[in-house]
Amino acid sequence: EVQLVESGGGLVQPGGSLRLSCVASGFTFSNCWMNWVRQAPGKGLEWVANIRQDASEKYYVDSVKGRFTISRDNAKNSLYLQMNSLRAEDTAVYYCARAFSMDYWGQGTLVTVSS
Amino acid sequence: QSALTQPASVSGSPGQSITISCAGTSSDVGGYKYVSWYHQHAGKAPELVIFDVTNRPSGVSDRFSGSKSGNTASLTISGLQAEDEGDYYCSSYTSSRIRVFGGGTKLTVL
Repeated sequence: EVQLVESGGGLVQPGGSLRLSCVASGFTFSNCWMNWVRQAPGKGLEWVANIRQDASEKYYVDSVKGRFTISRDNAKNSLYLQMNSLRAEDTAVYYCARAFSMDYWGQGTLVTVSS
Repeated sequence: QSALTQPASVSGSPGQSITISCAGTSSDVGGYKYVSWYHQHAGKAPELVIFDVTNRPSGVSDRFSGSKSGNTASLTISGLQAEDEGDYYCSSYTSSRIRVFGGGTKLTVL
C-alpha cells in the first residue's frame, strides 16, 4: 500500500524557517518524481515544487523561488521542503504527492506563519 | 503562471451527468497531454480521478471521464451519486516546466 506521511509543520514567525519531511512507503521511491502542493485555509490547491528521481531537476512556483528548496534522500525514502523567509501568505496545509501525475497524496502538515 | 479557469460551482441530481470545464492556454492545457483531475472531500487530501487527459487510475469508477478540445479540458461525471460531492481541481503541465492548478469547482448533488 502506498503511503506518504508528512511532518514538520507548526507555528513560525514571519521571516522564520521550517523544514518539512515526507516519508514514503509501499513503492520504489527512487523511481518517482515527487511534488509538494499546498492549500491555504479555505482556498484551492497550489503546486509548489517538484523534483526528479535523481534530484537532477527541480522546479518551483514563482512565489517561493529563492526561499524554498526541495530535496530528497532516496536511501531514506524521504522528501523534504526547506522553507526560509516565511511569510503570512505561506500559511497552508502542505501535501507531498507522488509522481508526475500526483497519483497519491499524504494527509498534509499545517504550516502557520504568524507573529 | 496564471491558474487555470474552472467554474466556481456546479450541481446536479442523482443519476444525472455533469461536466466541469478547465480553461487554459496553448502553453499549458492546449500544449500537452498532461492534464489531471482531482477530487477532494472536505478536510481530506485530494484523490486523482483522471490523468493524462483521459486515463482513469485503477479503482476509479468508469462514471468519470476526461476530454480536451483546444485549450479547454473537461471532466464528466455520469450517473451522479451523493459520494461525488466535493471539490474538483484540474491541473496541467506548462511550458515553464511547472504544474498549475485550476481554482476548483464545488460539486453539489441535489
